[in-house]
Amino acid sequence: GAVVSQHPSRVICKSGTSVKIECRSLDFQATTMFWYRQFPKQSLMLMATSNEGSKATYEQGVEKDKFLINHASLTLSTLTVTSAHPEDSSFYICSASTGGANEQFFGPGTRLTVL
Amino acid sequence: DAKTTQPPSMDCAEGRAANLPCNHSTISGNEYVYWYRQIHSQGPQYIIHGLKNNETNEMASLIITEDRKSSTLILPHATLRDTAVYYCIVRVGNGGFKTIFGAGTRLFVKA
Repeated sequence: GAVVSQHPSRVICKSGTSVKIECRSLDFQATTMFWYRQFPKQSLMLMATSNEGSKATYEQGVEKDKFLINHASLTLSTLTVTSAHPEDSSFYICSASTGGANEQFFGPGTRLTVL
Repeated sequence: DAKTTQPPSMDCAEGRAANLPCNHSTISGNEYVYWYRQIHSQGPQYIIHGLKNNETNEMASLIITEDRKSSTLILPHATLRDTAVYYCIVRVGNGGFKTIFGAGTRLFVKA
């Protein structure tokens, strides 16, 4: 099956700094990528949808200036958490799709801890 | 996307079949039923999907009622490694459409 990777798997940063998380589709071209956030004991919450070469579409309540998403190529999307605060500590997960296919493939997630 | 209703938790004995129900009474004609699972601290794993016919793969079987308002995921011989949160999702078939997760069912497989 298709493989999606995320880097880093874990990151700890100080409050006020910015953190970049990468999502890569390793063996297919992802026209669409999705970013989710998951707090402990909760379900995944969709943050935004990004299509290669265009601006991301954010879900209601997600600050686009705080969570910067770039989908510059068909195999890479990045999520930058700007001026991170402790409440941004969460598990961030991406998924990728070729668009025409039925399936979406999920990455292993990135655990962000903001001190 | 249509909403789904799942029991919050279920237990299953190791080696027995695990039957996980899902209600999706407002499903539209062009929406598929997808099942994913999430083992603790990992990304979701695709299990199976179907439109109206029953489906089977190496992981599980999916039984969809004739009116498509409910479905059941069957793990034929549950193992301890099947302990996870199972999500039933309805979504149009094109992978470019967003997947909205509900609360899911937490399955505990016990020895």
